[in-house]
Amino acid sequence: TQLLEQSPQFLSIQEGENLTVYCNSSSVFSSLQWYRQEPGEGPVLLVTVVTGGEVKKLKRLTFQFGDARKDSSLHITAAQPGDTGLYLCAGVRVGLTFGKGTHLIIQP
Amino acid sequence: NAGVTQTPKFRILKIGQSMTLQCTQDMNHNYMYWYRQDPGMGLKLIYYSVGAGITDKGEVPNGYNVSRSTTEDFPLRLELAAPSQTSVYFCASSYSDFNQPQHFGDGTRLSIL
Repeated sequence: TQLLEQSPQFLSIQEGENLTVYCNSSSVFSSLQWYRQEPGEGPVLLVTVVTGGEVKKLKRLTFQFGDARKDSSLHITAAQPGDTGLYLCAGVRVGLTFGKGTHLIIQP
Repeated sequence: NAGVTQTPKFRILKIGQSMTLQCTQDMNHNYMYWYRQDPGMGLKLIYYSVGAGITDKGEVPNGYNVSRSTTEDFPLRLELAAPSQTSVYFCASSYSDFNQPQHFGDGTRLSIL
């Protein structure tokens, strides 16, 4: 049983398009972190969301934490090839509980 | 700054062999973690440590052991390698509690044949 469900698993879009990926759970987390991972490397933290309803922006990336702190979304505006990677959400409990990730490919 | 350093980067083991995956961090972080990442399965926590001399089991500890004799080092030991342990192993560290950002190494790719 996967505690954190991420969708979609795979997404391939053209440069310039917008996209949203989702991270859903039936459990409440004290906070939720988003990481980006490139092939052959470890995950790198993008953002941490702590408060229910919180919205954080990182350039073209917008992260939202659900009001009940069970789900989150990542929206990318005007996607670029450099956004290509595996996006992982992780809920904070003892260590991190990771979702399976969304493999994102941005084609030029 | 080196951050979190893992060695080796790649290793092939035969069934039943043992080995130690090394992890060291130079950020003076108290918390350290070991995860495994299987294809399509995300990362799963194997063991963690909240400080020197203190370790505890994560979600998938069977077949592994850890020790934390210093703040900097957190080695992971496989005693009797099994094909199910073929995976990519990541070490991570954070300054204090679990809510803090975790800094990951680049991983050790381990194959058990």
